[in-house]
Amino acid sequence: EAGVTQFPSHSVIEKGQTVTLRCDPISGHDNLYWYRRVMGKEIKFLLHFVKESKQDESGMPNNRFLAERTGGTYSTLKVQPAELEDSGVYFCASSLVGGTRETQYFGPGTRLLVL
Amino acid sequence: AQSVAQPEDQVNVAEGNPLTVKCTYSVSGNPYLFWYVQYPNRGLQFLLKYITGDNLVKGSYGFEAEFNKSQTSFHLKKPSALVSDSALYFCAVSSQGGYNKLIFGAGTRLAVHP
Repeated sequence: EAGVTQFPSHSVIEKGQTVTLRCDPISGHDNLYWYRRVMGKEIKFLLHFVKESKQDESGMPNNRFLAERTGGTYSTLKVQPAELEDSGVYFCASSLVGGTRETQYFGPGTRLLVL
Repeated sequence: AQSVAQPEDQVNVAEGNPLTVKCTYSVSGNPYLFWYVQYPNRGLQFLLKYITGDNLVKGSYGFEAEFNKSQTSFHLKKPSALVSDSALYFCAVSSQGGYNKLIFGAGTRLAVHP
């Protein structure tokens, strides 16, 4: 069974440009999460989808970040316009069911560098 | 507020020796605790979790972790370290009745020397 996949693996952009990250969860997983690790610090939650609905977006840093999950399958995370402090590794995770005791399975991450 | 602390940025251990990677947590409600590992150029890989029951949890690759409620700790252990265990280890917590998201520590880099 394929795991969580993310594209691209790396992205280097200039400040002010737009970048879109994609996540494909494990097939059949209704719950999809985005996290971010900035500059060697802790991994921080961004948001949680249940199917196509945003269940919790309390971790989204500001309105330059837009996440979508049309059709309840893959998800995109767009940063527009990108700022220097957006650099980091963006992880996507999925779980079959929701609930705080469920294991979330992570993808390899997208390493974003904003210059 | 929920939080996780991994007090050591790096742990060094000789191959064949036991290893411990420390984690303490703070949550309201019953904690659910997780360990993940990130190998170089790879994603986060689930190792083990504590939900309820036996305080000693066994996971992948010979790792285990002990839940200690009084010390609010969930240290990761392995009896005999391998060079291939060298990686970045993350402790995470969620809680019963809490939001459906993981709170992570900053990570501990484990270096196992031959």
